Amino acid sequence: GQSLEQPSEVTAVEGAIVQINCTYQTSGFYGLSWYQQHDGGAPTFLSYNALDGLEETGRFSSFLSRSDSYGYLLLQELQMKDSASYFCAVRDDSGAGSYQLTFGKGTKLSVIP
Amino acid sequence: DGGITQSPKYLFRKEGQNVTLSCEQNLNHDAMYWYRQDPGQGLRLIYYSQIVNDFQKGDIAEGYSVSREKKESFPLTVTSAQKNPTAFYLCASRELAGKYNEQFFGPGTRLTVL
Repeated sequence: GQSLEQPSEVTAVEGAIVQINCTYQTSGFYGLSWYQQHDGGAPTFLSYNALDGLEETGRFSSFLSRSDSYGYLLLQELQMKDSASYFCAVRDDSGAGSYQLTFGKGTKLSVIP
Repeated sequence: DGGITQSPKYLFRKEGQNVTLSCEQNLNHDAMYWYRQDPGQGLRLIYYSQIVNDFQKGDIAEGYSVSREKKESFPLTVTSAQKNPTAFYLCASRELAGKYNEQFFGPGTRLTVL
């Protein structure tokens, strides 16, 4: 099976940088994704790392180290609208090409003035 | 506009009643998923389907049933056998050949069983 660990809550100041870590255990790893969810809303895709290294998309970056079973999401120039929950997810290929995602429990980010 | 719709947004039912949650997508995606989310928790997979007339159980399928008669539709029935059905239910879809394995989510249905 799969398991993911991420901090439950993080607080950061507007304009600052915050890093949300995710460690995972999985029998077959094919990639690490990040999703953002505002309260009461639908999760939206942020990034996907299949290979080691850093992927940058605007103010958001995501990093993966497969040898350490570890990744992180980096948010720069924090804005109040970034207050949300952030989920890491691993792709699980059960062998039938199902491409399921297993999600972590989420990190609630609070951005304060 | 392409997207996923779920209806209704809020649903109330009495204990012991079956209830069906709607999920429709016009993204032409082959794969569709149902997740359950409890307060402060991640998303847990209930059922998924990759092609019409075929679906697979996820991690928490007990007490739920689905059908996939059309590519665009993947309704979820919460049966009376589900012991704790009050939760936020999210439907998602994915293009099988998508580069980033991205799932697109609907707005969700919040089910409350009284």
